[in-house]
Amino acid sequence: LAKTTQPISMDSYEGQEVNITCSHNNIATNDYITWYQQFPSQGPRFIIQGYKTKVTNEVASLFIPADRKSSTLSLPRVSLSDTAVYYCLVWGSARQLTFGSGTQLTVLP
Amino acid sequence: EPEVTQTPSHQVTQMGQEVILRCVPISNHLYFYWYRQILGQKVEFLVSFYNNEISEKSEIFDDQFSVERPDGSNFTLKIRSTKLEDSAMYFCASSSRKGVDETQYFGPGTRLLVL
Repeated sequence: LAKTTQPISMDSYEGQEVNITCSHNNIATNDYITWYQQFPSQGPRFIIQGYKTKVTNEVASLFIPADRKSSTLSLPRVSLSDTAVYYCLVWGSARQLTFGSGTQLTVLP
Repeated sequence: EPEVTQTPSHQVTQMGQEVILRCVPISNHLYFYWYRQILGQKVEFLVSFYNNEISEKSEIFDDQFSVERPDGSNFTLKIRSTKLEDSAMYFCASSSRKGVDETQYFGPGTRLLVL
C-alpha cells in the first residue's frame, strides 16, 4: 500500500483558496488518489478522486502531476463549515482504504 | 441523494456482552465494508464483504467479530463478547463495483461504548 504524507494542520481565512498537498512517492501504476473529508463524530465524506492531470467537481479540484508522486486538493473560497480533517488516500487492487492522520484544516473568520 | 444509514447512532454495553451494529448500504451497491475509529485515532479497516462472503479482513477482525447480510438490505457487524478496547465509532461503507472509479460511501457511524 502506498504511504501518503500530508501536513498535520493548516489554517485559512474565509473566502480564501486552500491547497493541501499530499505526497505518495511509491504510488503504483494501478493506484487512484482519493480525498475524503471528516467532521468530528461523523463518517468520512468522499470529496474527489483522480488518476492523473486535473479533476474538478462542484466542491474541489484535484491536481496530479505527470509523475503522480504527489497531488494537491484545492478548495475554492473556503467557509467556516469547511473546517474538518482532510484525508489523502491511495488505493488500488486492495479493497480496503488506508487512512492516515489527515490534515486538520481550520477556517478562521 | 442515496446514502448509507446506520443504527443505532449510539450503543452502550457492558463488557462481555454481544452487540450487533446495523447498516443499510446504498441500494445498488455490491461491496460492503466496516471500519472503526477509536477516539482521537485513525480510521481503521475491519472487513470487506462481497457476494455473501468476506473478501478481505484486517488483523483487528478476529474471531470476536462477524459480518452478515441477513436480507437484501441490511449489513451487520456482530461483536460476540465486547471488550473495553472495542469502544469506538464504527462506520459502514458501500461501493458499487470493483475496479475503476470505485468510491466507498460511508455512513454516519455508530458510537459504541463498552463499560
